[in-house]
Amino acid sequence: EAQVTQNPRYLITVTGKKLTVTCSQNMNHEYMSWYRQDPGLGLRQIYYSMNVEVTDKGDVPEGYKVSRKEKRNFPLILESPSPNQTSLYFCASRAGTSGTEQYFGPGTRLTVT
Amino acid sequence: SQQGEEDPQALSIQEGENATMNCSYKTSINNLQWYRQNSGRGLVHLILIRSNEREKHSGRLRVTLDTSKKSSSLLITASRAADTASYFCATDAVRRAGNMLTFGGGTRLMVKP
Repeated sequence: EAQVTQNPRYLITVTGKKLTVTCSQNMNHEYMSWYRQDPGLGLRQIYYSMNVEVTDKGDVPEGYKVSRKEKRNFPLILESPSPNQTSLYFCASRAGTSGTEQYFGPGTRLTVT
Repeated sequence: SQQGEEDPQALSIQEGENATMNCSYKTSINNLQWYRQNSGRGLVHLILIRSNEREKHSGRLRVTLDTSKKSSSLLITASRAADTASYFCATDAVRRAGNMLTFGGGTRLMVKP
């Protein structure tokens, strides 16, 4: 089954404690993205990657890091989380060419206290 | 920045009625996509319309695109309670070094039984 998986699904942590949210897709997609979703602000792109070792900033990259060492994985790293990073996070992937649909993971609800 | 802006932000209708949601965008696009999100879950692709198309159908969904007005509409006919969800438009435009989707703020649809 074609899917994007994220872990963990729920996470409560404290300010400053480094964390990683994993993302994996089994569709051999070149493009992967991370979004955050906040009430009233819709989905905002954090980072995206067009292929292995190729990443670029989205609209709200501050406070986040990503890596793309393998095609299937695209982890999101918060080196020093802060309460304003409390949000619902989605990983997504799509095939490389324009005109293709995007597949989303189930979401990770992060709370930073 | 959000390329697409949906209107209305919220819509409440009775089962059996039609629901129309609109999306406006700012720059030239290759295609426009509509997604659905059930509360707190990942987005699911509904339909894609290319910039050279004016109308597209999929089951009870009808999408129109007017590139001169930079707008699109999603019509759900004979709505059902199960259609209750948030609906997002996403524009597929060339930006920076790659083609990435940009999502609007969404329309929250409630269909009352």
